[in-house]
Amino acid sequence: EAGVAQSPRYKIIEKRQSVAFWCNPISGHATLYWYQQILGQGPKLLIQFQNNGVVDDSQLPKDRFSAERLKGVDSTLKIQPAKLEDSAVYLCASSLGIPGYEQYFGPGTRLTVT
Amino acid sequence: GDSVTQMEGPVTLSEEAFLTINCTYTATGYPSLFWYVQYPGEGLQLLLKATKADDKGSNKGFEATYRKETTSFHLEKGSVQVSDSAVYFCALIHVDQGGSEKLVFGKGTKLTVNP
Repeated sequence: EAGVAQSPRYKIIEKRQSVAFWCNPISGHATLYWYQQILGQGPKLLIQFQNNGVVDDSQLPKDRFSAERLKGVDSTLKIQPAKLEDSAVYLCASSLGIPGYEQYFGPGTRLTVT
Repeated sequence: GDSVTQMEGPVTLSEEAFLTINCTYTATGYPSLFWYVQYPGEGLQLLLKATKADDKGSNKGFEATYRKETTSFHLEKGSVQVSDSAVYFCALIHVDQGGSEKLVFGKGTKLTVNP
């Protein structure tokens, strides 16, 4: 079974530029999550999708971050414009959506904003 | 809100040493508890979990017991190997009023095992 795929693996941009990350979840997983992991901290949930609908985006900085999952499969997370403090690893995870079911994580995208 | 506190790292051990990584939590109700591991260059992987008080999760020689009375879920391994070098995250599931589940993570503890 293929795991969660993410691209790119690494990205370096200057502040005020825009960037987009892509995630393809495990086939059949209805729930998709984006997390932000700042160096030295645990992952923090940014947004949760159930199929193509948003379940929780309470911690997403909506003035600069956006995410979509148009067909209920893959997803993109965008930052525009980027700030220095956005430097982090962005993790995508997916799950069947059954309560208590395990979340499977992708390898992450490491973003450096200079 | 719900939170997880785990011991500060880094932790450096010799091969075959005993490992304990402390984890305590604050939560309403009785959440499910998890340990995730992140090997260098890889994504997070579920290591073990426990869903109710006194449950013991175990995997790959690691164990953790859900202690309701001390709100703890300490990770232990009797004899670590070089291949156990990784960052370990303690986490709990927070269920909001709408029923959606959210993982809440601790800050992580980096373990290095030397031959």
